[in-house]
Amino acid sequence: DAKTTQPTSMDCAEGRAANLPCNHSTISGNEYVYWYRQIHSQGPQYIIHGLKNNETNEMASLIITEDRKSSTLILPHATLRDTAVYYCMENGNEKLTFGTGTRLTIIP
Amino acid sequence: EADIYQTPRYLVIGTGKKITLECSQTMGHDKMYWYQQDPGMELHLIHYSYGVNSTEKGDLSSESTVSRIRTEHFPLTLESARPSHTSQYLCASSDIRGPYNEQFFGPGTRLTVL
Repeated sequence: DAKTTQPTSMDCAEGRAANLPCNHSTISGNEYVYWYRQIHSQGPQYIIHGLKNNETNEMASLIITEDRKSSTLILPHATLRDTAVYYCMENGNEKLTFGTGTRLTIIP
Repeated sequence: EADIYQTPRYLVIGTGKKITLECSQTMGHDKMYWYQQDPGMELHLIHYSYGVNSTEKGDLSSESTVSRIRTEHFPLTLESARPSHTSQYLCASSDIRGPYNEQFFGPGTRLTVL
């Protein structure tokens, strides 16, 4: 069973920043936080991961709270192509456990 | 772009047929995975492999079997397909090196058993 909690759905206006929250209160010290997204039943796509520090790459930023019990994925300038289901996961070994994720809809 | 391929992309087959879903990757990854996903539902891990001659069952029980004779190839077989096997099957791979686990997914095979 997934150990993270995410809102079921969110909307965001095109061009605005999309902030997707995730609670992972049972995360252990050596587990990373991963974010993936799945666009319309395609294979999931890796977005970003982090352990303690905030992270940024060409796709998104990841903000992890100091106690590591929650994180926020930020898409700085959302486009219509960012409409997808976003999965937050904690992982310390080879296996990823996908939950139900957040269905993000970008509104024109 | 990740170089992981799945064939066929779509398959409609009758009950009782034997089928093999193909998955190949050209990235030299040791770890490979099979997930099953019903429409609008979660992905469930059904098989994974650490490398050649290694296969493990995933979190969701499945009647399918897998083999790993070559690093780049991880086929999934159903000996006798049933309507309950209708689903999307997604293959993924990752590099065994490093402390984290970025998985690259193929496009999936959408299986319909009549």
